[in-house]
Amino acid sequence: DIQMTQSPSSVSAIVGDRVTITCRASQGISRWLAWYQQKPGKAPKLLISIASSLQSGVPSRFSGSGSGTDFTLTINNLQPEDFATYYCQQANSLPLTFGGGTNVEIK
Amino acid sequence: QVQLQESGPGLVKPSQTLSLTCTVSGGSISSDGYFWTWIRQHPGKGLEWIGFIHSRGDTQYNPSLKSRITISADTSKNQFSLNLSSVTAADTAVYYCASGLGYSSGWNSWGQGALVTVSS
Repeated sequence: DIQMTQSPSSVSAIVGDRVTITCRASQGISRWLAWYQQKPGKAPKLLISIASSLQSGVPSRFSGSGSGTDFTLTINNLQPEDFATYYCQQANSLPLTFGGGTNVEIK
Repeated sequence: QVQLQESGPGLVKPSQTLSLTCTVSGGSISSDGYFWTWIRQHPGKGLEWIGFIHSRGDTQYNPSLKSRITISADTSKNQFSLNLSSVTAADTAVYYCASGLGYSSGWNSWGQGALVTVSS
């Protein structure tokens, strides 16, 4: 199985900050990586697929980059509604696997 | 995007079979190229992929659960289902159904989730 390691596991930030979350795959996954946002008690929401493709309706302050084993989710100008947990997921091979999550919390 | 809704018992006894159904609206589960998946989340933990069924009916399962899982579809009802046998307390989780066009493109539609507790 491909292991996905996210860092940090938690980050404290204020509105207006830039937040960067990294995701590392245990082996190369090309660009087959998705990012999800999950708020408490809610289902995850797909933000980005294929490493950098922003889903329709997702604000442009979210961006993704990377290929191979190292990926980044960046949130520019953090907004109050962005405080949530973020997960990466590799889609290169089965079984599909997720990172452990990064909790973006209010400083 | 389609809408998905999980349904099924919220409490299952140990050693029994957990059965959940996902009802799809706003689209057909037979739509070419679509994948219909189950993902679970243990309380306070991360996400775990369980398996999926393709619009053609092919299935793939997580090897960690493969011996206990069956995912099937009922096109007449526009539903797909999860059966997880021989459950233990470790199967207590929120179970989500989700879908996407091609499993490599991410899951862009999700149900609200169904909490299933395994307890006697």
